[in-house]
Amino acid sequence: LAKTTQPISMDSYEGQEVNITCSHNNIATNDYITWYQQFPSQGPRFIIQGYKTKVTNEVASLFIPADRKSSTLSLPRVSLSDTAVYYCLVGAPDNAGNMLTFGGGTRLMVKP
Amino acid sequence: NAGVTQTPKFQVLKTGQSMTLQCAQDMNHNSMYWYRQDPGMGLRLIYYSASEGTTDKGEVPNGYNVSRLNKREFSLRLESAAPSQTSVYFCATPPDAGQGRATEAFFGQGTRLTVV
Repeated sequence: LAKTTQPISMDSYEGQEVNITCSHNNIATNDYITWYQQFPSQGPRFIIQGYKTKVTNEVASLFIPADRKSSTLSLPRVSLSDTAVYYCLVGAPDNAGNMLTFGGGTRLMVKP
Repeated sequence: NAGVTQTPKFQVLKTGQSMTLQCAQDMNHNSMYWYRQDPGMGLRLIYYSASEGTTDKGEVPNGYNVSRLNKREFSLRLESAAPSQTSVYFCATPPDAGQGRATEAFFGQGTRLTVV
């Protein structure tokens, strides 16, 4: 299983753009990169997934370079409510036996 | 449509007691997972079930047993609770692989377990 490495924590201020980078040097050809968000006292929530280049939705953007050995989750103009832990995972979305492996995540603190 | 429901939400056990954590999903998914999350840590996979009638060990299975009762329900049992099992337990279920979204899991709200 491909492992991921993320910064343990990040601080930001309201209104700023936040970029969280994840390394996944051993990503397999069929693997996608998936990000989850976890608020205190809640279960993780899927926010975005991509295979290559750029993916954008209403919550975030995901940038994946051509070699796919890393990815960057971008949160535009964060607010206090974006304070959460963000997890990067790699896995194949068409794999019935896929085990979703979470690392330690990145704890984002947004300050006023 | 409740999604993933876990019971109970909170539980305090004495060392050596047993209990079963319940998880039910109404999403008609084949796969279900149990994770534990210790304070300030990430999630670690305890057991998972790829389909009704099958279960497999995850990263930290020792001290736990599971039962996939039917497609909807996946229970986690602690036979003899230990303080080291104090944690928050999450149940999750991803869409089936055929939908191409097997990495987009839905999580329950968690069971906060304290073993004293």
